[in-house]
Amino acid sequence: GDQVEQSPSALSLHEGTDSALRCNFTTTMRSVQWFRQNSRGSLISLFYLASGTKENGRLKSAFDSKERRYSTLHIRDAQLEDSGTYFCAAEDENSGGSNYKLTFGKGTLLTVTP
Amino acid sequence: AQTIHQWPVAEIKAVGSPLSLGCTIKGKSSPNLYWYWQATGGTLQQLFYSITVGQVESVVQLNLSASRPKDDQFILSTEKLLLSHSGFYLCAWSLWRGRAEQFFGPGTRLTVL
Repeated sequence: GDQVEQSPSALSLHEGTDSALRCNFTTTMRSVQWFRQNSRGSLISLFYLASGTKENGRLKSAFDSKERRYSTLHIRDAQLEDSGTYFCAAEDENSGGSNYKLTFGKGTLLTVTP
Repeated sequence: AQTIHQWPVAEIKAVGSPLSLGCTIKGKSSPNLYWYWQATGGTLQQLFYSITVGQVESVVQLNLSASRPKDDQFILSTEKLLLSHSGFYLCAWSLWRGRAEQFFGPGTRLTVL
């Protein structure tokens, strides 16, 4: 099965509402990174977490520090410009060597409507 | 500030033709470099990584090859394109040793006909 399970696969929000995206990992991960992909295809890094939580404006992300088996991305007061596809990507704690390999989830397509 | 540039922006190529995609990172010396592939509507899959000039490791076999001729340059190529090579190719770099955080270029969209 997939190492990184992302949910939901699609989400529609009205402007001004809040929601959360989640990634579950089938194995212990060392770190997680959240991205937004815009319509052009560019991947914009939102957060990188090795533990704990980070916040930037209306976005907040958390990485379960105990089990290291899930991460969440909270969107507060959703705006039209938040629309896009959100990916989480995680580094396997058991990966060796010098390849900092990120395994990506399948993404959440977020649509924010007026 | 570090900048990452990919070329070309888009390519339309025939099956069986050769391909060369490029990636350049400015403002950071000796970065780790990565190539990822994304099928249309799909997730991203790592193809290659490189930790130093002249050294490239393959992660998945897709009849593609990669080279790192300079510290700031990463090339993805093949001599014969397949239909299955269509998709979006992204180059990425990581900032520090021991830290997996990666930063992505704008990507190249490849259509194989």
